[in-house]
Amino acid sequence: GQNIDQPTEMTATEGAIVQINCTYQTSGFNGLFWYQQHAGEAPTFLSYNVLDGLEEKGRFSSFLSRSKGYSYLLLKELQMKDSASYLCAVRGTGGFKTIFGAGTRLFVKA
Amino acid sequence: GAVVSQHPSWVICKSGTSVKIECRSLDFQATTMFWYRQFPKQSLMLMATSNEGSKATYEQGVEKDKFLINHASLTLSTLTVTSAHPEDSSFYICSARDAASGSDEQYFGPGTRLTVT
Repeated sequence: GQNIDQPTEMTATEGAIVQINCTYQTSGFNGLFWYQQHAGEAPTFLSYNVLDGLEEKGRFSSFLSRSKGYSYLLLKELQMKDSASYLCAVRGTGGFKTIFGAGTRLFVKA
Repeated sequence: GAVVSQHPSWVICKSGTSVKIECRSLDFQATTMFWYRQFPKQSLMLMATSNEGSKATYEQGVEKDKFLINHASLTLSTLTVTSAHPEDSSFYICSARDAASGSDEQYFGPGTRLTVT
């Protein structure tokens, strides 16, 4: 079966750093994505990891460990506009089908 | 970046009627598009994979006779919700991959909010 787990909600303070974890068990693996989604809007792409290690892109970094079935999204210098849902998604092998986790709702407080 | 559009952005229909939602890749060709459904405060649930020129592949539990998918060209896929019921009210999102670019990114449309009364 396929299973993607991430915390339901997190709260952090403006200017701080927050780490959102994601663990997955899938029948095949061809990459892990992180998306940001504001309420009522479509997801927007944040990062893509297919090899182990850390990918940094501005205030956002994403880490992957394929052997552990684990990834995290790191957000630095949090801003109020970062309040959103963060979706972890795994692409399987063959057909590029992507399965999404339930998402983590992040609340950034002043 | 690549752009995916959806039409309409929102629609209200009566129970028992059918509704067609279009998904277009505006500046790239997409041999494969994906249709997702998202209920409030839940994540995206993959409904089906739409393949240009062939039948769609539906996920387990999704009724192919109720959710008709047509991918007649490399830039257009349509999802028709037939005999809609209030429980079909949801946010429907399509996505597409620009295979020619070599990018692994999946581009999402802005979504269509369907309300069935």
